[in-house]
Amino acid sequence: GGIITQTPKFLIGQEGQKLTLKCQQNFNHDTMYWYRQDSGKGLRLIYYSITENDLQKGDLSEGYDASREKKSSFSLTVTSAQKNEMAVFLCASSMRLGGQQYFGPGTRLTVL
Amino acid sequence: GDSVTQTEGLVTLTEGLPVMLNCTYQTIYSNPFLFWYVHYLNESPRLLLKSSTDNKRTEHQGFHATLHKSSSSFHLQKSSAQLSDSALYYCALSDRGSALGRLHFGAGTQLIVIP
Repeated sequence: GGIITQTPKFLIGQEGQKLTLKCQQNFNHDTMYWYRQDSGKGLRLIYYSITENDLQKGDLSEGYDASREKKSSFSLTVTSAQKNEMAVFLCASSMRLGGQQYFGPGTRLTVL
Repeated sequence: GDSVTQTEGLVTLTEGLPVMLNCTYQTIYSNPFLFWYVHYLNESPRLLLKSSTDNKRTEHQGFHATLHKSSSSFHLQKSSAQLSDSALYYCALSDRGSALGRLHFGAGTQLIVIP
């Protein structure tokens, strides 16, 4: 078994602030993902990384940057937080692209 | 492009009644891979079941779904709802008809089961 850890669990920022969310997995999975969860809009893919040193834009990448520092970690940066950005951000990993995805507990972002 | 539609945002059911959560998809590819993920409150989303075989019933934890390519559907069903089934359910489609694709998720259906 394995686990995905997301930090912080709650993130409060000011409008215009740059904010970073972190994700770690010990599954030894190749592929990692960042999703944004909004009520009524489902899970929307922001960025994903097929293997270490790879980075792919998802459907909602504008306003975000991502970094796959090493195989086990994947960070997401909100480049300039906006009030309409309040949501839960979920990190996930899978053995390979297309494999079963395992999700972390999420980071809830609030922008004041 | 590929997309998934879940028509009901909220389904409220009395315990013991059958569950049916709708999922339809759009893709130009002839071999779609469909998934149901479940997200219980205060837990992480997890895979419930998946299928890529036309007209074959897939079952897990009392839930079942059948992929019907003729109607582009993959509805989630259960014969008798339990209180513990209350959760957010997502239908998802693998990109470009590939088993190795990223997932496209639907908007989700919140299921609430009441006594």
